[in-house]
Amino acid sequence: DQQVKQNSPSLSVQEGRISILNCDYTNSMFDYFLWYKKYPAEGPTFLISISSIKDKNEDGRFTVFLNKSAKHLSLHIVPSQPGDSAVYFCAASARSTSGTYKYIFGTGTRLKVLA
Amino acid sequence: KAGVTQTPRYLIKTRGQQVTLSCSPISGHRSVSWYQQTPGQGLQFLFEYFSETQRNKGNFPGRFSGRQFSNSRSEMNVSTLELGDSALYLCASSFGQPKETQYFGPGTRLLVL
Repeated sequence: DQQVKQNSPSLSVQEGRISILNCDYTNSMFDYFLWYKKYPAEGPTFLISISSIKDKNEDGRFTVFLNKSAKHLSLHIVPSQPGDSAVYFCAASARSTSGTYKYIFGTGTRLKVLA
Repeated sequence: KAGVTQTPRYLIKTRGQQVTLSCSPISGHRSVSWYQQTPGQGLQFLFEYFSETQRNKGNFPGRFSGRQFSNSRSEMNVSTLELGDSALYLCASSFGQPKETQYFGPGTRLLVL
């Protein structure tokens, strides 16, 4: 059961335009969400996060939007740059029965920014 | 500060063998989590260790095990390897508080023949 879904395996965007990466989740107990970027032969690197008490968080060219009623979050990259070409993972966390948190990752979206 | 390091970076094993992977977290981080990445499956959570104790566990068979040492370094062991265990194994470290950002190592790519 995939609790965090990234339904678009790939996305191509022209340099300078907006990239929108989407993520859907099924567990209403998720209360913290993160986006990671992964280049080949490297581990994922943290991009941006959002708590469930917010609906938007912005950091430079990156903005994450959270729609709790739709159980949907999206990452906007404006303007897109060729160096943004990577695989993007969304992740969600919820408090487990032991009181700790663990992260559930989506399957990733490969973004290609065309020069 | 040095990042998360993982050794070895690449490994080839045959079915039935066992393998041990190592992860050194960022200095001061007490939580180490392990993930398996396969094409189309994203990052699947294996387990998390905090202060030498397994704090969380994913849905993997008992062939997958781990441990953490007093210096927070962690090892992951897979016994009786199967072809389907071929994957990129990533470890991530954090201080261990709730809702924290995890920092990932470069991963160990395991190929089972």
